[in-house]
Amino acid sequence: GDSVTQTEGLVTLTKGLPVMLNCTYQTTYSPFLFWYVQHLNEAPKLLLKSSTDNKRTEHQGFYATLHKSSSSFHLQKSSVQLSDSALYFCALSERASGSWQLIFGSGTQLTVMP
Amino acid sequence: EAGVTQSPRYAVLQEGQAVSFWCDPISGHDTLYWYQQPRDQGPQLLVYFRDEAVIDNSQLPSDRFSAVRPKGTNSTLKIQSAKQGDTATYLCASSFGQINSGNTLYFGEGSRLIVV
Repeated sequence: GDSVTQTEGLVTLTKGLPVMLNCTYQTTYSPFLFWYVQHLNEAPKLLLKSSTDNKRTEHQGFYATLHKSSSSFHLQKSSVQLSDSALYFCALSERASGSWQLIFGSGTQLTVMP
Repeated sequence: EAGVTQSPRYAVLQEGQAVSFWCDPISGHDTLYWYQQPRDQGPQLLVYFRDEAVIDNSQLPSDRFSAVRPKGTNSTLKIQSAKQGDTATYLCASSFGQINSGNTLYFGEGSRLIVV
């Protein structure tokens, strides 16, 4: 079946440095990829989404490009802030049991230090 | 616009007890999802509805878990005879239309369950 892989469980950075959180996927359908961010004790919220190959999408200083050739949708930011500390999930819309569902990766905890 | 509302926010049970979680989706959203999120893991779909109909409940442990959405608005997820392995946050989410069109999934803050 379809799957989403996030290789880093925990990323710790100093404020002001760049970050890239990895996301790769496997699907037999045309992919629609999402990044969700979850701050402590809050609901997950949509950060980015894309289904267009090789087109960069941006929001709140974060950006990602869907590369169908490498099945990747890595999340990047050029300069992280303390407020970026959160859990980040990559997700893929998957067709299963005749309907569409959202499946999530295991998540990457980003901690930004002063 | 009000977001997705869930209650209770926290529940602590002994093994064998039952609990119900309630979800009020965003007004007008026809699709409602229940996810289970174990600590330090990604959300895993349990069941989802379009209006009052169950679309997929294949991941719901049917012997102890049940979910309903009788009028196509609010929903209740019930766990009977809880086990320690049920310890997780239960997230409700809603959307308008199917997610393969890129429609956004809006989550509630979750109901945190601890089974001791």
